[in-house]
Amino acid sequence: DVQLQESGPGLVKPSQSLSLTCTVTGYSITSDYAWNWIRQFPGNKLEWMGYISYSGSTSYNPSLKSRISITRDTSKNQFFLQLNSVTTEDTATYYCARFYYGYYFDYWGQGTTLTVSS
Amino acid sequence: DILLTQSPAILSVSPGERVSFSCRASQSIGTSIHWYQQRTNGSPRLLIKYASESISGIPSRFSGSGSGTDFTLSINSVESEDIADYYCQQSNSWPTTFGAGTKLELK
Repeated sequence: DVQLQESGPGLVKPSQSLSLTCTVTGYSITSDYAWNWIRQFPGNKLEWMGYISYSGSTSYNPSLKSRISITRDTSKNQFFLQLNSVTTEDTATYYCARFYYGYYFDYWGQGTTLTVSS
Repeated sequence: DILLTQSPAILSVSPGERVSFSCRASQSIGTSIHWYQQRTNGSPRLLIKYASESISGIPSRFSGSGSGTDFTLSINSVESEDIADYYCQQSNSWPTTFGAGTKLELK
C-alpha cells in the first residue's frame, strides 16, 4: 500500500528557510504521478503549494513566487520542500500527497505541523 | 484562480438523516470536482472523484452530483463516523484549488 510520511523541524524562526521531507513507501516516486506539498492554515484553508513529477519536473503555485523549491532523492524515495524567507503567515500543517495525473489527491501523509515564531 | 464556495459553513444533523453539501465554482469546470473528508486530527481522504464517481473503499452512502458550476455531495444516512469537515477541490484550471470546507456536526 502507498504510504507517505512527512517530517520536519516543527518550529522555524521568521526570515529563515523551512525544510520538510516526505518519505514514500509502497511506490517508487520515479514510476509515475506527481508528488505534492499541500498546506492547511489555522482555520483550515487548504493551499496547493507545488509538485515534483515522476520525471523530476516541477510546478509551483504562483502565490509562492520564488520562495519555494521541491526536490527529491530517488535513492531514498523521498521528496523535499524548501520554503524561503518564512513569516508567521507560513504557520500551517504541511501535507505531502500523490496527485493522480493532475486531477485528484489519492494518497496523503498524516501531516506535520510547522510554527513560525521567534 | 478558480474560487470554490462551499455552503453552509456548518451543518447540524441527527444520525440517520440525509445531508447535502454544496460547492459552487466561480466559472464552469465541467465535472472536474473532487470531494474529501477530513476527520478531527486526520488527513483529507478522497471520497468522490469527477463529481460523481465512487472511490474504492468509501461507503455507498456517499454520492456526488453536478456539473458546470454547481456541485453536491450527499450522505444518504449519516453515521456518527461521518462527523468531519468536507472539502471540494477543482482540477479544471491550474492551479488546483480547494473550497473552504463545510463542518458536519451532530445535533
